[in-house]
Amino acid sequence: KNQVEQSPQSLIILEGKNCTLQCNYTVSPFSNLRWYKQDTGRGPVSLTIMTFSENTKSNGRYTATLDADTKQSSLHITASQLSDSASYICVVQGNTDKLIFGTGTRLQVFP
Amino acid sequence: SQTIHQWPATLVQPVGSPLSLECTVEGTSNPNLYWYRQAAGRGLQLLFYSVGIGQISSEVPQNLSASRPQDRQFILSSKKLLLSDSGFYLCAWSWGAPETQYFGPGTRLLVL
Repeated sequence: KNQVEQSPQSLIILEGKNCTLQCNYTVSPFSNLRWYKQDTGRGPVSLTIMTFSENTKSNGRYTATLDADTKQSSLHITASQLSDSASYICVVQGNTDKLIFGTGTRLQVFP
Repeated sequence: SQTIHQWPATLVQPVGSPLSLECTVEGTSNPNLYWYRQAAGRGLQLLFYSVGIGQISSEVPQNLSASRPQDRQFILSSKKLLLSDSGFYLCAWSWGAPETQYFGPGTRLLVL
């Protein structure tokens, strides 16, 4: 069964600290993996998208990594800001147009 | 630039009443369009997707239906709402490969 699992389910950090969110997937065959940021009550916004041949991609303070052999991805946030408080969703696309969404990690950044 | 609109932003409806949620996209032609539902504490669930006018694919059997009367208009409907239809409904569009999906602001539906 194609699944996307994220950990931790929730995370609290202090402003300025770094953090890493994890995503494991069982989707096969694999086409690409995306990370989205979703503010409360808003639609998700794309952060990164990586294909099979890419193992790292950055978007400002966000850096995503991908290990297609172990089917793992991580999203690293550097020097967190209060505006980083949101849900971060890992999404995997197989060989169809369908996206498989993880349930997300809820990040809260406190001053 | 492309923009995606959804309305209404919030909606409270009684059980058994009809539903119509609208999504429109500006600034692109022939996009792929999607309806998702996000229940509290759950991941996004794909409900419908459309690759063109009048072409609708349903992902899960349910109480809802979708229509695409125009190239950049996608409508989610129900004849009789159920309590379980409550949730956050998101419309998205994509174009090209790999397909980045761009999401609308969402409609929060509460069925009482």
